Amino acid sequence: GQQVMQIPQYQHVQEGEDFTTYCNSSTTLSNIQWYKQRPGGHPVFLIQLVKSGEVKKQKRLTFQFGEAKKNSSLHITATQTTDVGTYFCAGPGGSGNTGKLIFGQGTTLQVKP
Amino acid sequence: NAGVTQTPKFQVLKTGQSMTLQCAQDMNHNSMYWYRQDPGMGLRLIYYSASEGTTDKGEVPNGYNVSRLNKREFSLRLESAAPSQTSVYFCASSYRTNEKLFFGSGTQLSVL
Repeated sequence: GQQVMQIPQYQHVQEGEDFTTYCNSSTTLSNIQWYKQRPGGHPVFLIQLVKSGEVKKQKRLTFQFGEAKKNSSLHITATQTTDVGTYFCAGPGGSGNTGKLIFGQGTTLQVKP
Repeated sequence: NAGVTQTPKFQVLKTGQSMTLQCAQDMNHNSMYWYRQDPGMGLRLIYYSASEGTTDKGEVPNGYNVSRLNKREFSLRLESAAPSQTSVYFCASSYRTNEKLFFGSGTQLSVL
């Protein structure tokens, strides 16, 4: 079945450093979503990318969708302690609009002040 | 608006016991989902309901059953709990399939 892989699994950075997490799918995706989960909390939607090569920014966060629509990345510029948490990508599984939203394993970000 | 409400927040079961996790949303969403979260495994889809009256298996359906009671409510049942079902369970909803998900606060379940 379809797999969504994320790397790295963990990342420790010093406050002010940049951070990037990568998401790769075994199949072409119609869209990709990104979520953030704070420690002890529930996942919260960040953004959805739909178009090949799409780039979207939210303040210090930059999201990219690959040209082949099989990979995506989230880049955080100048991390802050408020960025701590686990970042997940998710894409539709199966062919067509099945409703199966498959999540990657997540990248857990720790930020040292 | 409460969003997505899950009950209970915590539960401890003995192996073989049964229980039902309840989920309700007040956003008039059509699609609802049940995920489990285990360390290092991300969120894995158990079952989902694309619309009222339909349910489908996700990635890890074995040992679970679901009921889409009405448009608002989607319950998850463990008929005979096993230690492998110890996990954090999240209910989620979206207006349509493959649109952004809104998650409940989760149920921490331990099966001894």
